[in-house]
Amino acid sequence: DTAVSQTPKYLVTQMGNDKSIKCEQNLGHDTMYWYKQDSKKFLKIMFSYNNKELIINETVPNRFSPKSPDKAHLNLHINSLELGDSAVYFCASSQGTGNNEQYFGPGTRLTVT
Amino acid sequence: GESVGLHLPTLSVQEGDNSIINCAYSNSASDYFIWYKQESGKGPQFIIDIRSNMDKRQGQRVTVLLNKTVKHLSLQIAATQPGDSAVYFCAEKSRGGKLIFGQGTELSVKP
Repeated sequence: DTAVSQTPKYLVTQMGNDKSIKCEQNLGHDTMYWYKQDSKKFLKIMFSYNNKELIINETVPNRFSPKSPDKAHLNLHINSLELGDSAVYFCASSQGTGNNEQYFGPGTRLTVT
Repeated sequence: GESVGLHLPTLSVQEGDNSIINCAYSNSASDYFIWYKQESGKGPQFIIDIRSNMDKRQGQRVTVLLNKTVKHLSLQIAATQPGDSAVYFCAEKSRGGKLIFGQGTELSVKP
């Protein structure tokens, strides 16, 4: 019944490693997002895909590479992890890019040591 | 630049009282606004939204007010319950644009 799911929920890794976070939605939405939430709870969009096409790419280091194999999935790969990448990463989806509600996943807490 | 801010980072209310959470936005082109609730360890959850052609919208125990003149948004929660304790975010969106979140207000409900 989970609408937007993410794996893993927790990820602890060392600096310099490469890691991936996966996201899946079963809502039939065609738009998906990645957000980063810092330690002060500030939520900021990183990427957005519509029908597997990248439509929003904020000023995110190119160590972050999203991939959308199909409309229901949006994965986030991070190369050469840095301490500052530690945060909670949320996936979200919506029907279209218009003024529609975005549904968020449970988040992935990434800790880089 | 664009920014969405909140007047108070924390709000403590007595159970049964009404809560009012405020938000200021700076982009006059924004035409869609959403309030989200985030409980500890969970993702943001939609509460209510409002379009710029409206100034008030009511849901179950919640009301959102939009004042475009002063670019101010508020969320009113009636008869606040312990389950309402969470961080509340306002977010704004301009047509075809991205959702920009405010800082968040932590609501604490005292029994």
